Amino acid sequence: KNQVEQSPQSLIILEGKNCTLQCNYTVSPFSNLRWYKQDTGRGPVSLTIMTFSENTKSNGRYTATLDADTKQSSLHITASQLSDSASYICVVSMIKAAGNKLTFGGGTRVLVKP
Amino acid sequence: GAVVSQHPSRVICKSGTSVKIECRSLDFQATTMFWYRQFPKKSLMLMATSNEGSKATYEQGVEKDKFLINHASLTLSTLTVTSAHPEDSSFYICSAREPLEQFTDTQYFGPGTRLTVL
Repeated sequence: KNQVEQSPQSLIILEGKNCTLQCNYTVSPFSNLRWYKQDTGRGPVSLTIMTFSENTKSNGRYTATLDADTKQSSLHITASQLSDSASYICVVSMIKAAGNKLTFGGGTRVLVKP
Repeated sequence: GAVVSQHPSRVICKSGTSVKIECRSLDFQATTMFWYRQFPKKSLMLMATSNEGSKATYEQGVEKDKFLINHASLTLSTLTVTSAHPEDSSFYICSAREPLEQFTDTQYFGPGTRLTVL
């Protein structure tokens, strides 16, 4: 079964600290993996996208890693800011003849406190 | 960057009425649009895929007569929740994909519509 599991479900960090979110997947055949940020009451916004051959991708203070062998990805947030409070969703794209299909993780809710 | 809008952003309606939600791609043509539903503290669940000029493809368990989807142009798709009931209250999000991005599946998400059925 094609699944995307994220951990932790939620976490609280102090402003300025770093944190790492995890994503494990069983989706196959794999096309690409994206991390999205979703603010409360808003639609998801793409942070990074990685294909099979990419190990790391950065977008400002966000750095994503991908290990396609172990089917694991992480999103590292550096020097967290209050505006980083949001849900972070790992989305894996599966290759299909009629067009790729997305599988969404359950998300990690991050709360940054001053 | 590609922008997708939704209208309205919030809607409150009485039980039994129908509600229409619009999804527009503002600066690109979207041959395919997607409709998602999201419950509180849960991730997005795909409801249906709509292709311009053809019938929508619904995911298993989604009632097509309940959630009517129309994709009449390359920039507009609508979702109509018919005879809405309180259990239809949810956050509905659409996304749009450009034709050339079919195999990278790059979707641009709208800001969502909060539906509350009283």
